[in-house]
Amino acid sequence: DAGVTQSPTHLIKTRGQQVTLRCSPKSGHDTVSWYQQALGQGPQFIFQYYEEEERQRGNFPDRFSGHQFPNYSSELNVNALLLGDSALYLCASSSGYEQFFGPGTRLTVL
Amino acid sequence: GENVEQHPSTLSVQEGDSAVIKCTYSDSASNYFPWYKQELGKRPQLIIDIRSNVGEKKDQRIAVTLNKTAKHFSLHITETQPEDSAVYFCAASPGVNSGYALNFGKGTSLLVTP
Repeated sequence: DAGVTQSPTHLIKTRGQQVTLRCSPKSGHDTVSWYQQALGQGPQFIFQYYEEEERQRGNFPDRFSGHQFPNYSSELNVNALLLGDSALYLCASSSGYEQFFGPGTRLTVL
Repeated sequence: GENVEQHPSTLSVQEGDSAVIKCTYSDSASNYFPWYKQELGKRPQLIIDIRSNVGEKKDQRIAVTLNKTAKHFSLHITETQPEDSAVYFCAASPGVNSGYALNFGKGTSLLVTP
């Protein structure tokens, strides 16, 4: 049984571009949460998807959007990239309290 | 919203000693408190968690205590080993009312020296 997987591993973009990150949850999990982890900081909650709907959202601008598919996998989209969007983007899957993280996507914005 | 503070930011102990990391939270509705260990370049891994109806939970060398009245919880690692060296994050969640969204502390970098 594969755990949480994310793609791509690394990504380099320039300011103003758009990016899509992908996450496949652990088998049996129906909820996907996305977090942004800046260097030396704790993960910050972006939003959570359950039953293909955004259930909860953190303090992030509308440039950050997402989607969940019927197979529970999820995408995170970021438009109009800023230098400050450079971070490790983590997804976590769950079916209740416990959240299990993927390996993350390292996004660098130049 | 929830605010989680974590102390200390760095902690250095000798192998075999105990390590204690403390966190406070602000939202009295929080009822789930996990701890994650993150090694350099790796994903955060859940090492132990506690819910608000429990005051203490232990799993081998690690234990977590919760004081809901004071809104603080702590991670205790006994008989530390060099492989315990990592960044540890506490988190708090209001549970089902927030979709179990986690609010993290800023992390504690633990170094265990042989």
